[in-house]
Amino acid sequence: GQSLEQPSEVTAVEGAIVQINCTYQTSGFYGLSWYQQHDGGAPTFLSYNGLDGLEETGRFSSFLSRSDSYGYLLLQELQMKDSASYFCAVRDQGFQKLVFGTGTRLLVSP
Amino acid sequence: DARVTQTPRDKVTEMGQEVTMRCQPILGHNTVFWYRQTMMQGLELLAYFRNRAPLDDSGMPKDRFSAEMPDATLATLKIQPSEPRDSAVYFCASGLGQGAADTQYFGPGTRLTVL
Repeated sequence: GQSLEQPSEVTAVEGAIVQINCTYQTSGFYGLSWYQQHDGGAPTFLSYNGLDGLEETGRFSSFLSRSDSYGYLLLQELQMKDSASYFCAVRDQGFQKLVFGTGTRLLVSP
Repeated sequence: DARVTQTPRDKVTEMGQEVTMRCQPILGHNTVFWYRQTMMQGLELLAYFRNRAPLDDSGMPKDRFSAEMPDATLATLKIQPSEPRDSAVYFCASGLGQGAADTQYFGPGTRLTVL
């Protein structure tokens, strides 16, 4: 089976940089995905890492180390609108489906 | 602007009633996922389809839940009879090809309340 661990809550101030970590245990691994969800909204795809290293998309970057079973999402130049929950997810071995972590609630204050 | 649509957006019903939720995936996407989200359990996969064929519905309570894709533009999730513990937000998501699972596009969800 799969299991993922991420912090339940992270707080930061506007303009700062925050890193949300995710560690996983899987019987097989294809890649790590990140999704953002605002309160009352739907999850939105942010990024995917299939290989080790850093993927950058604007203010957001995601990193993966397969040898450490670890990844993180880096948010730079934080804005109030970044306050949301962030989920990491891995694909279940042999299946075309994702297993989601429990989510990290990010609170950005002025 | 391609997006996944879901109806209804909100549904309040009484225990024992049948509930049907509908999803229109993004045109051309061949994989459809149904999720349920609650505070306690988080985001759980109920079922998913590829090219309209059900590939996995192990996350669904079989006795009361059923999911179908009558055609490529419509997926349905039915609960009969509904129970208060089914109260949750139900999301549909769609994707394309081998990367469908990794890059999913979610609909706005159906908020179900069973009294």
